[in-house]
Amino acid sequence: GAVVSQHPSRVICKSGTSVKIECRSLDFQATTMFWYRQFPKKSLMLMATSNEGSKATYEQGVEKDKFLINHASLTLSTLTVTSAHPEDSSFYICSASRTPKETQYFGPGTRLLVL
Amino acid sequence: EDQVTQSPEALRLQEGESSSLNCSYTVSGLRGLFWYRQDPGKGPEFLFTLYSAGEEKEKERLKATLTKKESFLHITAPKPEDSATYLCAVQAGGNEKLTFGTGTRLTIIP
Repeated sequence: GAVVSQHPSRVICKSGTSVKIECRSLDFQATTMFWYRQFPKKSLMLMATSNEGSKATYEQGVEKDKFLINHASLTLSTLTVTSAHPEDSSFYICSASRTPKETQYFGPGTRLLVL
Repeated sequence: EDQVTQSPEALRLQEGESSSLNCSYTVSGLRGLFWYRQDPGKGPEFLFTLYSAGEEKEKERLKATLTKKESFLHITAPKPEDSATYLCAVQAGGNEKLTFGTGTRLTIIP
């Protein structure tokens, strides 16, 4: 149990367009989902925490208008990168937990390349 | 501020050569310490959660232990498929967030 999926696994887009990434918990209900960004050979950087039915809480320095997060159900959260620019190119990973303080299970990640 | 330090940064072992990875932490009120394995281009895979000093958990060739200041991930007779980056993370206080270390990149040479 505790499987998390992400879609798409890779996406290439033009500068100025928006990209939506989905994160789903497949075999459990996730009260809380987290979105991370990872640069090459670096550890994970938390971007935001979302609780089902509530507004996301963003980490300091993360632009909430640029990275829109929606957690509309107990199995689905989405991250939309609006007006993407080359500097937004990165590996985005989501995680999900049954309750806010339980073990986080991670998705396989989404590689975003903005041209 | 919670801090997590992992050492060594990288480790190369011969197949069958046992060793340990270290995770030192400074937190206020540890609620859980987590070990994950991450393969290149993939998301972290959950390995263990440890909650209190003295706790140990095992899975195949891996064994995780916890003291009040650090955790060790012992790998016994590793195989090439154990090659990966091993990440340690802590959850502390009333916080739901994880604070990650920078990881240990483990390479097992056949």
